[in-house]
Amino acid sequence: GDSVTQMEGPVTLSEEAFLTINCTYTATGYPSLFWYVQYPGEGLQLLLKATKADDKGSNKGFEATYRKETTSFHLEKGSVQVSDSAVYFCALISGGGADGLTFGKGTHLIIQP
Amino acid sequence: NAGVTQTPKFQVLKTGQSMTLQCAQDMNHEYMSWYRQDPGMGLRLIHYSVGAGITDQGEVPNGYNVSRSTTEDFPLRLLSAAPSQTSVYFCASSLGHGNQPQHFGDGTRLSIL
Repeated sequence: GDSVTQMEGPVTLSEEAFLTINCTYTATGYPSLFWYVQYPGEGLQLLLKATKADDKGSNKGFEATYRKETTSFHLEKGSVQVSDSAVYFCALISGGGADGLTFGKGTHLIIQP
Repeated sequence: NAGVTQTPKFQVLKTGQSMTLQCAQDMNHEYMSWYRQDPGMGLRLIHYSVGAGITDQGEVPNGYNVSRSTTEDFPLRLLSAAPSQTSVYFCASSLGHGNQPQHFGDGTRLSIL
């Protein structure tokens, strides 16, 4: 079946540092890929998505590129802020998508001032 | 614009009790789903619905029932609560399935004693 593997945290960085959170996947066919973010006490919010190979999703300074050859969708940001502290989930939908998202276990990101 | 509304936000039950977690959306979304979030496990799909009158099982359906009598509502029922069902439950909706972004509620934190 489908699966998503992402680095587990917590990941602790200083403000203005460069961020990379690795995500790799296993899926049949050509999945759509997503990054969701969860702030404390809240539900998940879509951060960005990519639906085909070589697509780059971007939002709020975050970027991720759909790499089919390496089955990866790594999340990057050039300069993180304290407000970026949250849990980040990589996820995919494959096939018709009726059976929902397959999530990674989440990466807890802590940004220190 | 309320989005996806879940009630209650917190609940404590005794083993064997029953309860219903409510989920409502006001975006006229066809697709709705329930996930549970456990530490170190990410989110796992419990049940989903592609439209009113249609439901299906996800990855971890045992111990849960759902129904979809209207487009707006998708309640999740625990018939006889067990400690293993202690978790945070999230309801999500989207315009359709596939690569449509899913909108999440703020979650229900459920403890089974």
